[in-house]
Amino acid sequence: DAGITQSPRHKVTETGTPVTLRCHQTENHRYMYWYRQDPGHGLRLIHYSYGVKDTDKGEVSDGYSVSRSKTEDFLLTLESATSSQTSVYFCAISDMREATGELFFGEGSRLTVL
Amino acid sequence: RKEVEQDPGPFNVPEGATVAFNCTYSNSASQSFFWYRQDCRKEPKLLMSVYSSGNEDGRFTAQLNRASQYISLLIRDSKLSDSATYLCVVHRAAGYSGAGSYQLTFGKGTKLSVIP
Repeated sequence: DAGITQSPRHKVTETGTPVTLRCHQTENHRYMYWYRQDPGHGLRLIHYSYGVKDTDKGEVSDGYSVSRSKTEDFLLTLESATSSQTSVYFCAISDMREATGELFFGEGSRLTVL
Repeated sequence: RKEVEQDPGPFNVPEGATVAFNCTYSNSASQSFFWYRQDCRKEPKLLMSVYSSGNEDGRFTAQLNRASQYISLLIRDSKLSDSATYLCVVHRAAGYSGAGSYQLTFGKGTKLSVIP
């Protein structure tokens, strides 16, 4: 299995509080992604990174920010959590040199915003 | 038409049955196609890529029909361990380099339950 670790795995927080999810990889892959998964929706891309300090928005980026100061770490921050951000968040990594379509996902972080 | 659309499911089949999942995509510029598998409360994992000529991996067969913008996954001799949600994934190149050029769109998934 690809070396991807997400933390925390579970978090319950209150509306209006800041939340940071961490994704750590040991594969030295260049590309990292944050997705959210909700019932009735496919996986939706929030933000992605194509290198250290290089990030861009995905399909559902409003209310989220990211940072990547090291190759191995990609942080997702909810500045002021809302109930609509209750979701399962997946980090993924890829080595796009061969563009095989294979993303390696972390185990997910389940966030509940009360 | 939604960008990637799958059979709603769920599919409940007996062990040993053959089951087929269908997926349609709306963007004719889509270039690559995949099936991912996601077990309950787990992360998605790549099951197989879908090639233009069709491809097989053991009990799994994937087919692509570009003219109809249609992808299928056939599972023969279903096992209890095949119970999972199967995600259709479509890649569309955006015409520029960088991660943004690698635009994967995930379907909502079809849930399969194989019953003893």
